[in-house]
Amino acid sequence: AQKVTQAQTEISVVEKEDVTLDCVYETRDTTYYLFWYKQPPSGELVFLIRRNSFDEQNEISGRYSWNFQKSTSSFNFTITASQVVDSAVYFCALSEPFSGTYKYIFGTGTRLKVLA
Amino acid sequence: DTGVSQDPRHKITKRGQNVTFRCDPISEHNRLYWYRQTLGQGPEFLTYFQNEAQLEKSRLLSDRFSAERPKGSFSTLEIQRTEQGDSAMYLCASSPSDMEAFFGQGTRLTVV
Repeated sequence: AQKVTQAQTEISVVEKEDVTLDCVYETRDTTYYLFWYKQPPSGELVFLIRRNSFDEQNEISGRYSWNFQKSTSSFNFTITASQVVDSAVYFCALSEPFSGTYKYIFGTGTRLKVLA
Repeated sequence: DTGVSQDPRHKITKRGQNVTFRCDPISEHNRLYWYRQTLGQGPEFLTYFQNEAQLEKSRLLSDRFSAERPKGSFSTLEIQRTEQGDSAMYLCASSPSDMEAFFGQGTRLTVV
């Protein structure tokens, strides 16, 4: 069965600290997509990154970086030098194309609080 | 407007009443999704449209729920005879082909 686990319910850090948000997924398929979304208090889910199962290259975008490891079924997200504006709930999601819908299976989210 | 728009943003209704939500996807996005999010949880898939065709419904979508997407543009989600357990955030998302989905700000439903 498909499943996404975000074991960290809430993380608090002080501004400028680095923080890593964990994501572990389960799937039977060899072709799938992984995503990270940010949900600020306004409620809208903001797309951050998409990664397909055949591309294990790590990615860096500014202060954000992602570590995809198929061997451990993990897709972790690191924020370097965190800022107060990074405070939000972050969701990891899995999508499988075999059904044609590309619907998302979300984790339960990690609430990040960055303290000034 | 370049984003997904949802209306209303908030809805308070009495138990037993019917409610309808609207979603306007990004223009030319042929895929449209509805999700439901309860407090402290991730969004859960409800239903999927490709153009005007409703191609998948979750078992979460009881017979009190109905969704439409006439002409493959905007979509509506109706809940009949609302129950307190229906209180949640209802999120709409759209995407072109198999790319990432873009979400609206959601409609927060409170059933009293």
